[in-house]
Amino acid sequence: GAVVSQHPSRVICKSGTSVKIECRSLDFQATTMFWYRQFPKQSLMLMATSNEGSKATYEQGVEKDKFLINHASLTLSTLTVTSAHPEDSSFYICSASSTRGSRSEAFFGQGTRLTVV
Amino acid sequence: DAKTTQPNSMESNEEEPVHLPCNHSTISGTDYIHWYRQLPSQGPEYVIHGLTSNVNNRMASLAIAEDRKSSTLILHRATLRDAAVYYCILRDGGLGNNDMRFGAGTRLTVKP
Repeated sequence: GAVVSQHPSRVICKSGTSVKIECRSLDFQATTMFWYRQFPKQSLMLMATSNEGSKATYEQGVEKDKFLINHASLTLSTLTVTSAHPEDSSFYICSASSTRGSRSEAFFGQGTRLTVV
Repeated sequence: DAKTTQPNSMESNEEEPVHLPCNHSTISGTDYIHWYRQLPSQGPEYVIHGLTSNVNNRMASLAIAEDRKSSTLILHRATLRDAAVYYCILRDGGLGNNDMRFGAGTRLTVKP
């Protein structure tokens, strides 16, 4: 299947600092990218959807100014957690799809485990 | 996305077939049925998807009811590596609603 690379896989940062997570589609053009976070023993929670050429659409309750998403190109999206706090510690996962809508499957990154101390 | 309902957990014996059910009674005509699975501490992995006809690939088979209100993911011979949480998701095949939301999924345990 197609490959989505997410980096870093693990990061520890101090409270109040910002962290950037990268998501790259290595062998296809990602028209749509999704960002999720997942707490232990829970399902994935959609944070935002970004379509190439448009601003990200955030889910209700997700702060746009705190979780900055940039779909810079058809192969790269970044999530920046600004002024991170311990409650932001979570497993963050990106996903990429080559077509808008669901006619094609989505592929997922390996996830980034963020720990804010 | 229309809602899906899956059992919280299922058990299987190694090398036996597994049938994972999913109910989606409010599915619309343009909704595709997608299945993904997630192993511990990893991102989800695509398994299979379909619209109306049954689908087969090297990982699994997808059986879709004639009225499309339910589907079944079939693993033909479960292995220990198939132990994961399996998610059934409906996604609009049109150009409108483009998001992809996960429900609670089914946690599959495979016993040796």
